[in-house]
Amino acid sequence: NAGVTQTPKFRVLKTGQSMTLLCAQDMNHEYMYWYRQDPGMGLRLIHYSVGEGTTAKGEVPDGYNVSRLKKQNFLLGLESAAPSQTSVYFCATSRGEQFFGPGTRLTVL
Amino acid sequence: GENVEQHPSTLSVQEGDSAVIKCTYSDSASNYFPWYKQELGKRPQLIIDIRSNVGEKKDQRIAVTLNKTAKHFSLHITETQPEDSAVYFCAARSAAGGSYIPTFGRGTSLIVHP
Repeated sequence: NAGVTQTPKFRVLKTGQSMTLLCAQDMNHEYMYWYRQDPGMGLRLIHYSVGEGTTAKGEVPDGYNVSRLKKQNFLLGLESAAPSQTSVYFCATSRGEQFFGPGTRLTVL
Repeated sequence: GENVEQHPSTLSVQEGDSAVIKCTYSDSASNYFPWYKQELGKRPQLIIDIRSNVGEKKDQRIAVTLNKTAKHFSLHITETQPEDSAVYFCAARSAAGGSYIPTFGRGTSLIVHP
């Protein structure tokens, strides 16, 4: 029972490159979320999903896209990475209490 | 939308002292208030939560209090230990509109000196 997993754990991109972060869960939760965490800024919601096939914008959605084609997976895409997107990204799932993944540390040069 | 303010941003205490972290929220429809602990380099993990029909909840050395009228809630840690050193986040969540999306405070870095 893996809970919530994220891949990759670390990534370095150059400005303008694209990448996809994968969040996977085996908890059968409907709600999934993507957050970014920056020093002193707490956890800011990027996008979220209330179920398979649905997505919605959070507080800071610009520059990111998401997809939830399967209930257990929630993908976060960066089409053209910018240095301002350097951050730690956390995925979470919920059926009440939130469970977080281990995080992805992304650096954009 | 909901706005959550958390204070202080940094709290330094001696081992054995008590620590209190305070949060205020703006949306009177918020009815669920979790607290998360994040150790350095790790993921946030739920340590305690409280619902709006309860004024106080305790779990060993930690407790949370809620004042719905004043729209504030607090985390209390007694007999602090060095392993309590971490960043603590409060959050508030409303079920209004059928969407269960929590809003987080900016976090409090708690440092417990041996």
